[in-house]
Amino acid sequence: DAKTTQPPSMDCAEGRAANLPCNHSTISGNEYVYWYRQIHSQGPQYIIHGLKNNETNEMASLIITEDRKSSTLILPHATLRDTAVYYCIVRVEVTDKLIFGTGTRLQVFP
Amino acid sequence: NAGVTQTPKFRILKIGQSMTLQCTQDMNHNYMYWYRQDPGMGLKLIYYSVGAGITDKGEVPNGYNVSRSTTEDFPLRLELAAPSQTSVYFCASSLVGGDYGYTFGSGTRLTVV
Repeated sequence: DAKTTQPPSMDCAEGRAANLPCNHSTISGNEYVYWYRQIHSQGPQYIIHGLKNNETNEMASLIITEDRKSSTLILPHATLRDTAVYYCIVRVEVTDKLIFGTGTRLQVFP
Repeated sequence: NAGVTQTPKFRILKIGQSMTLQCTQDMNHNYMYWYRQDPGMGLKLIYYSVGAGITDKGEVPNGYNVSRSTTEDFPLRLELAAPSQTSVYFCASSLVGGDYGYTFGSGTRLTVV
């Protein structure tokens, strides 16, 4: 299984872009990168996923490097409600399991 | 649609007792999963199922059992509860392939004393 490495914590000012990095140097060619977040003790919430190309949806943008060894989740205008733990996950292809790491705790401050 | 529903939300068990955590989904998802989350940690996969009648172990299956008799339901059974099983348990489901993401339930907070 590919593993991911994320910084344990980050801060971001409200209204600024939050850029959350993730390293996944052992990712296989057909494994997807997923991002989830967990607010307080709620169930994790799906944000976005991608394979090779950059992706954007109403919540965030995902930038994947050309060699696919790292990616960045971008929250373009962070709000206080974006304070959460963000998980970068590589999907195991065959069985579709998501293996969670410890994530990045993002604190958005006023 | 209710999504993924877990019951109960909270439970206190005594050591050695047994219980079943219920999980049901109304999205006709093939895949279902059980995770546990210890304080300050990420989620650990306990068991998963790719369809009715099919289950398999995840990272931390010891002390748990599952069954999948219907597409909708995926109960998690704890036999002989131990303090190490104190955790928050999350159930999740996804379509085949999971390309649309997982949907998680709101969790069951279990304390074993």
